[in-house]
Amino acid sequence: SQQGEEDPQALSIQEGENATMNCSYKTSINNLQWYRQNSGRGLVHLILIRSNEREKHSGRLRVTLDTSKKSSSLLITASRAADTASYFCATDASGTYKYIFGTGTRLKVLA
Amino acid sequence: DTAVSQTPKYLVTQMGNDKSIKCEQNLGHDTMYWYKQDSKKFLKIMFSYNNKELIINETVPNRFSPKSPDKAHLNLHINSLELGDSAVYFCASSLRGQEQYFGPGTRLTVT
Repeated sequence: SQQGEEDPQALSIQEGENATMNCSYKTSINNLQWYRQNSGRGLVHLILIRSNEREKHSGRLRVTLDTSKKSSSLLITASRAADTASYFCATDASGTYKYIFGTGTRLKVLA
Repeated sequence: DTAVSQTPKYLVTQMGNDKSIKCEQNLGHDTMYWYKQDSKKFLKIMFSYNNKELIINETVPNRFSPKSPDKAHLNLHINSLELGDSAVYFCASSLRGQEQYFGPGTRLTVT
């Protein structure tokens, strides 16, 4: 299957530290997206990075994409307690528009 | 102004019953999705409609039947509910190939 895998499964850091989570996938993609899910809520879109892009920024978020390694990373800088959530990557096999979500990374930011 | 709304938010029912979940989006998107999130937070796509046409139909029991009366609505009807159907069901919408906007989810509990 094309299911993405995220690493680590869980991450606990202190407020102010940086958090890095990784996503690996299996097939060629059109784009890769990162989402956040707070406990008991729906997913919220963070960043979309296209297959021809290598890096993208949005506020404290930085996403990189390495299509040769079929992997992406999400960096959250200067983390806050409010960043505590699960983070998912989602990829679509080229031309399918069928998004496969990764297994998620549970981030806990301690105040 | 809720972008993607789902009703009901909670659904508790007995095995064998038939139930429906409704979804509406007011974002003008052309594509809508149904996802199932299990107890381990694994998110799996079930169906996707683009301009009222079914474009993704994953390996889902035929007890599940989606219906899209127009581009802004996507409903999910489930017949003969089973214990294993207990999960959180998310509706989402997007412009095709773009970031998805998720509803708040419907927590289905089958007893």
